[in-house]
Amino acid sequence: DTAVSQTPKYLVTQMGNDKSIKCEQNLGHDTMYWYKQDSKKFLKIMFSYNNKELIINETVPNRFSPKSPDKAHLNLHINSLELGDSAVYFCASSERQGNQPQHFGDGTRLSIL
Amino acid sequence: GESVGLHLPTLSVQEGDNSIINCAYSNSASDYFIWYKQESGKGPQFIIDIRSNMDKRQGQRVTVLLNKTVKHLSLQIAATQPGDSAVYFCAETPVSSNTGKLIFGQGTTLQVKP
Repeated sequence: DTAVSQTPKYLVTQMGNDKSIKCEQNLGHDTMYWYKQDSKKFLKIMFSYNNKELIINETVPNRFSPKSPDKAHLNLHINSLELGDSAVYFCASSERQGNQPQHFGDGTRLSIL
Repeated sequence: GESVGLHLPTLSVQEGDNSIINCAYSNSASDYFIWYKQESGKGPQFIIDIRSNMDKRQGQRVTVLLNKTVKHLSLQIAATQPGDSAVYFCAETPVSSNTGKLIFGQGTTLQVKP
């Protein structure tokens, strides 16, 4: 009954590969987000979707492409992985867009060899 | 520019004492502030939030204080317990948007000594 779940929890892959991380929320929320947390634990927003519509698109390389098939899912696809992509990626959701508490998943630790 | 900072990277307290974690923000027009707790290997967990039209809000064992004059936010934890050991983040939402964009501070590690 996990509220925001991400798969996989760990992802180890080589430079140049393409990989996807999946996120699902069962809270009935309208808005979902992707964050990146670096090795110094700094958390930065990457994207957000509200009812399948892209709302926030920060200055992220276009190798990163979010996809929201429905409002309960927000996946993150990364092409041509680079060493600097190594981080923990967190998915989050909020009841609606705007000033709302965001509920986070437990993260996907991506390690690039 | 947008930035949220914390005064101390690590705070060590005795079990049973009260903890105060501080946060300074730079955008005087910010509208919404929130505190998260992150345990090792887990995602950030919502603790408490406060809007700019308030200066204090209380939860269970936690209190958030907002001082807009000096752009300062603090989280007070009463009777700190070992389970409170974690990294604590403050975050703010710029008033310029209603997108839900949260800008996080760098985090304070709270260590609770038994």
